[in-house]
Amino acid sequence: DTEVTQTPKHLVMGMTNKKSLKCEQHMGHRAMYWYKQKAKKPPELMFVYSYEKLSINESVPSRFSPECPNSSLLNLHLHALQPEDSALYLCASSRAPGELFFGEGSRLTVL
Amino acid sequence: ILNVEQSPQSLHVQEGDSTNFTCSFPSSNFYALHWYRWETAKSPEALFVMTLNGDEKKKGRISATLNTKEGYSYLYIKGSQPEDSATYLCAPRRGNTDKLIFGTGTRLQVFP
Repeated sequence: DTEVTQTPKHLVMGMTNKKSLKCEQHMGHRAMYWYKQKAKKPPELMFVYSYEKLSINESVPSRFSPECPNSSLLNLHLHALQPEDSALYLCASSRAPGELFFGEGSRLTVL
Repeated sequence: ILNVEQSPQSLHVQEGDSTNFTCSFPSSNFYALHWYRWETAKSPEALFVMTLNGDEKKKGRISATLNTKEGYSYLYIKGSQPEDSATYLCAPRRGNTDKLIFGTGTRLQVFP
């Protein structure tokens, strides 16, 4: 299994909602990532977990809360988001630094 | 802040044309340079990882070179095909960390 699976593919939420994005990989990779991508811009790093511990937080607002319940799963909990948070959220995993396997992304719309 | 510039921003070529584009990055504390290809409606995919000054990597019709002293990498595509249409992203790494920051990208469209 060489896939990174993200769910849901599309999510629409209001500014008062609480929702979560999920990511799963079964490649035994030790690191998992969240990136945010807005139209016509490159993916922007948000968080990195290494061996289930948060190792990088790129000064992301607290309305985004990552969680790594085990080595195969990565969640991104969303609460009190703003319309400008609408974007494609990409999950990735890696065995070696920099060699990322990406999922297809979750397209988030905040109304 | 890691300033990574890619040029041109976008490129339109005819099938069969060869093309190249540039990734510029700060040369200080360089550790590795990664190239990714991102086709529309798909996931970004790793193309190359390069570490040594003067490195050249090749995969089919696509090749890349690296100059760590002056802080740039070139990506070449020989005889472009419509299936090469994608955004090409470079990402230099400073130190042996998981922090991967992508450049601005070059969007390539190859017309039949």
